[in-house]
Amino acid sequence: SYELTQPPSVSVSPGQTATFTCSGDKLGDKFVSWYQQKPGQSPVVVIYQDTERPSEIPERISGSNSGNTATLTISGTQAMDEAVYYCQAWDTSTAVFGGGSRLTVL
Amino acid sequence: QITLKESGPTLVKPTQTLTLTCTFSGFSLSTRGVGVGWIRQPPGKALEWLALIYWSDDERYSPSLRSRLSITKDTSKNQVVLTMTHMNPVDTATYYCAHVSDSTFRSYFDSWGQGTLVTVSP
Repeated sequence: SYELTQPPSVSVSPGQTATFTCSGDKLGDKFVSWYQQKPGQSPVVVIYQDTERPSEIPERISGSNSGNTATLTISGTQAMDEAVYYCQAWDTSTAVFGGGSRLTVL
Repeated sequence: QITLKESGPTLVKPTQTLTLTCTFSGFSLSTRGVGVGWIRQPPGKALEWLALIYWSDDERYSPSLRSRLSITKDTSKNQVVLTMTHMNPVDTATYYCAHVSDSTFRSYFDSWGQGTLVTVSP
């Protein structure tokens, strides 16, 4: 079965750039979505179709996808960005989630 | 505005069958492209996709859980029902339902319910 691999944790200082990776075989050939989940809350989509951002998501959040790796970038990271971030893609009509990366803002 | 809400038992015994209902508003499951999926999350762990049903009655299942899952829809009631057989303590999790607006590989889960915690214990 298809797998998406994410590092368990990402740490940045306030104002710095946080970078999350999501790896999978030929992932660049698929569309990737990213979800933010804060403690006790349901996930919220922050990026879809690799690079698209819902209107309510700030412009400092962006995505890319190429080769075997999709990337989520948060510029000017704030304390409010602390959450777990999950990538998701489709493989043979089934959805696959990555294991999630926890963002800590130091 | 799309809303979804999960309902069902909070506690089930091992070997029992779990039945969860997702009641939604703000969209119709008879609209082309629309689907409702189920995702679960064990305490402190990652999201795991379970199943999805589209407006066309097309059903999709997680390969690892396919033999235990069934998903149905009642368009008139705006509900989607997930059943999972042979429940085990490892199935303890928060179960979410979520909306997709596109049946292609471009789709994503754009709205989620609040989730319901199901505990499997004797």
